[in-house]
Amino acid sequence: EADIYQTPRYLVIGTGKKITLECSQTMGHDKMYWYQQDPGMELHLIHYSYGVNSTEKGDLSSESTVSRIRTEHFPLTLESARPSHTSQYLCASSDRTVPSQFFGQGTRLTVV
Amino acid sequence: KNQVEQSPQSLIILEGKNCTLQCNYTVSPFSNLRWYKQDTGRGPVSLTIMTFSENTKSNGRYTATLDADTKQSSLHITASQLSDSASYICVVSDRGSTLGRLYFGRGTQLTVWP
Repeated sequence: EADIYQTPRYLVIGTGKKITLECSQTMGHDKMYWYQQDPGMELHLIHYSYGVNSTEKGDLSSESTVSRIRTEHFPLTLESARPSHTSQYLCASSDRTVPSQFFGQGTRLTVV
Repeated sequence: KNQVEQSPQSLIILEGKNCTLQCNYTVSPFSNLRWYKQDTGRGPVSLTIMTFSENTKSNGRYTATLDADTKQSSLHITASQLSDSASYICVVSDRGSTLGRLYFGRGTQLTVWP
């Protein structure tokens, strides 16, 4: 069982609110990722990080931002939530010695 | 264009039966192929990972095959159980960058009925 945790699991929030989705891993992995997934659709990479103070945008354009101040922590922030941000957000991590990515349980975000 | 296509999109089988899920990809260069199981509302969990030189790998009742020449993979589930109901996602990684970019299929939604 991988040790990567996301909070909250579910979030319903009003338009215009600022939100932060938390992701933490205790495996010491240097690489971390954020994916966005709509029902029945494939995962889309929105952000990734190679290590502390390293963040890059992924394939899918996103209005969210991320930070990597500590190895184990990779939070995602939306400054002003909109209904179009409603989706499931999945955090993952990997290590250069292990080719698989380990995923968190996901955060189901609904913006009303 | 690098793509991963999975079939069928959805599948319903009776408990105890076997099934095979398909994955075709056009990703190049190829590094590895993984099958993930994703329960509804949860994150994907890795089932198998295969590199270019491997053509079969098992994990309990799950057996994955890879034909790197035809760029096809299959996931065979034996003696299905109700808990096998989930989305099965094929993911292909290239070796074109340090990131080892991942290409995700849309998944096959498997439902096992009692």
